[in-house]
Amino acid sequence: AQSVTQPDIHITVSEGASLELRCNYSYGATPYLFWYVQSPGQGLQLLLKYFSGDTLVQGIKGFEAEFKRSQSSFNLRKPSVHWSDAAEYFCAVGGSGNTGKLIFGQGTTLQVKP
Amino acid sequence: DTGVSQDPRHKITKRGQNVTFRCDPISEHNRLYWYRQTLGQGPEFLTYFQNEAQLEKSRLLSDRFSAERPKGSFSTLEIQRTEQGDSAMYLCASSHSDRSSYEQYFGPGTRLTVT
Repeated sequence: AQSVTQPDIHITVSEGASLELRCNYSYGATPYLFWYVQSPGQGLQLLLKYFSGDTLVQGIKGFEAEFKRSQSSFNLRKPSVHWSDAAEYFCAVGGSGNTGKLIFGQGTTLQVKP
Repeated sequence: DTGVSQDPRHKITKRGQNVTFRCDPISEHNRLYWYRQTLGQGPEFLTYFQNEAQLEKSRLLSDRFSAERPKGSFSTLEIQRTEQGDSAMYLCASSHSDRSSYEQYFGPGTRLTVT
């Protein structure tokens, strides 16, 4: 069965520091992978997606993620964090078939220190 | 493009009451998804529609839950005889039915509190 693990429940970084949020997935075939961000009281916003091709994908708000098949990982990175990046981040994998069903990790809460 | 909207944003109800939520997807999207998110967890898939057809339901969707999308546009999710365990955020998302069906746009959610 497909699954997503986000090992870090809570991360705190200083403003201006670099960020890496970890995501590991379990899926038999080439996965479709996503990162979403959720701010308090808001719905989920798609940051970036990987379907195929270049394993380094660029997203909105200066985020990028790298797909590493050998490590079953899809880690999210940002070189310099802004206070407005404080939110909850979810990694997701597309389920089998073409249902569009997304399987989410439990999320990582990012806190940004001034 | 006005995005996905959900109504109400918050609902407080007493155990045993019925509640109904509405989702209006992005107009050109033919797929509509419902997810449930409990505190500290990621969203969990409940069900999805392509046009008016309900194509898959999760085991999470007990007999007390029913979803409809009568004309392939808006959808409703009804919970009968609510229980405290139903307290959660109910999220709706929409997409196209091709590879980008995984590229879903989410609404703000309906937060349900069952007292």
